[in-house]
Formats: sequence, structure tokens, C-alpha cells
Amino acid sequence: GENVEQHPSTLSVQEGDSAVIKCTYSDSASNYFPWYKQELGKRPQLIIDIRSNVGEKKDQRIAVTLNKTAKHFSLHITETQPEDSAVYFCAASGFSGNTGKLIFGQGTTLQVKP
Amino acid sequence: DTAVSQTPKYLVTQMGNDKSIKCEQNLGHDTMYWYKQDSKKFLKIMFSYNNKELIINETVPNRFSPKSPDKAHLNLHINSLELGDSAVYFCASSQSWGGTNEQFFGPGTRLTVL
Repeated sequence: GENVEQHPSTLSVQEGDSAVIKCTYSDSASNYFPWYKQELGKRPQLIIDIRSNVGEKKDQRIAVTLNKTAKHFSLHITETQPEDSAVYFCAASGFSGNTGKLIFGQGTTLQVKP
Repeated sequence: DTAVSQTPKYLVTQMGNDKSIKCEQNLGHDTMYWYKQDSKKFLKIMFSYNNKELIINETVPNRFSPKSPDKAHLNLHINSLELGDSAVYFCASSQSWGGTNEQFFGPGTRLTVL
């Protein structure tokens, strides 16, 4: 079935460094790739998304790249700050029968040390 | 004005009991979801409704029964609760179905089965 693999599961960086989280997906028909941030005890919230007709998208300190041929996409956070500490989830659109759904990766716990 | 709300926030109950979680969205969205987040933080879709119609039912035990009285509400009833049901349950909504729209999550309901 459809699958999204996310790495690493934990990531620790110093404040000001960059962080990169990578995901691969199995369904070549996937065409929507969002990233969600979940702070401790809070709800997941969308931080950036990319569609399959675009290779890269940037929003201030965060960027996402997509390689459809290789079926992988990545989240890049530059100049990390302690408030970036959270669990980050990638997701890819997939199908349940004929109905679209989001398939989430396993999550990456990012710790930014001051 | 909360976009997606859930009640209760915490639910502690004994094995074998029946409990319900309620969800409401005021975004005017057509599609609503229930997700289960286990202790390892993995987000797994359980159900999805579009305009009160069930469109996704992932391999979830029959003890779980969703109900959508109107497109702004999606409730989850769980019969004969088991220890393995302990998790955080998130409701979410999106403008339409298909897995290619931003999903807005509720604050979550932490269910603990003793």
C-alpha cells in the first residue's frame, strides 16, 4: 500500500544551524506534499506545502524541495531558533479506494539547543 | 473563534466502557476527519466524511462508529473500550475531499483507558 518514510526520527541542532528532514513516498500518483509542525501537547499545524508541478517553495526560513522522479521531498529550516523545536510531519496525498487522503510520515522530533 | 474544536480535551475511563468525542468546525468546510495519534506520535487516519457521507473507513474495529449529523460536526463513539485505544484523537477538516487541501486540526482529545 501507500507509504511515506521520514528521516531522521530525531534531530538535534545548535541555534542558528540549518535542519533538514527528508521523506520518500511510494505512490507515484501523489501530487500534494504538506509539512505539519506539532508543538508539545498541541495540534499539528501546516507550515508549508508543495504541489507536484513545482520543484521548490520557500517561505522565510523554511523551504521544501520535491524530486518527483526519485519520489522524495525535503524540509529545510535555516537559522534555527529554539521555538522551532517540535515534531515535524511530512505527508503525501494518496488514495483509499477512489478517495484521496493524506498519508503521514512517522515524524521527526527537532530539538534546537540555545 | 476556534476553527476546529473538540470535546472533551481529556477522557479517562475504564476498560469496557463506551465513550464519545465531539468535533465541530466553523470554517464552512465540506470534509472532516478523525485521526489517531499513538504513543509514538504516528498520525493515522481513521475516518473521513464529506458532506455527511462516509468516504474513508480505514481498517478500524467496528467498536468505533463515527457520526456526522451535519457537515460542521463529526462525532466519534467508541464501544467496549480497550487498553490499546489509549491515544490522542484528532479531528480535522478541509475545504473539500481528495487529500490535496490543507487540513485544519482540532486541539485533540487525550483518551486514557485504565
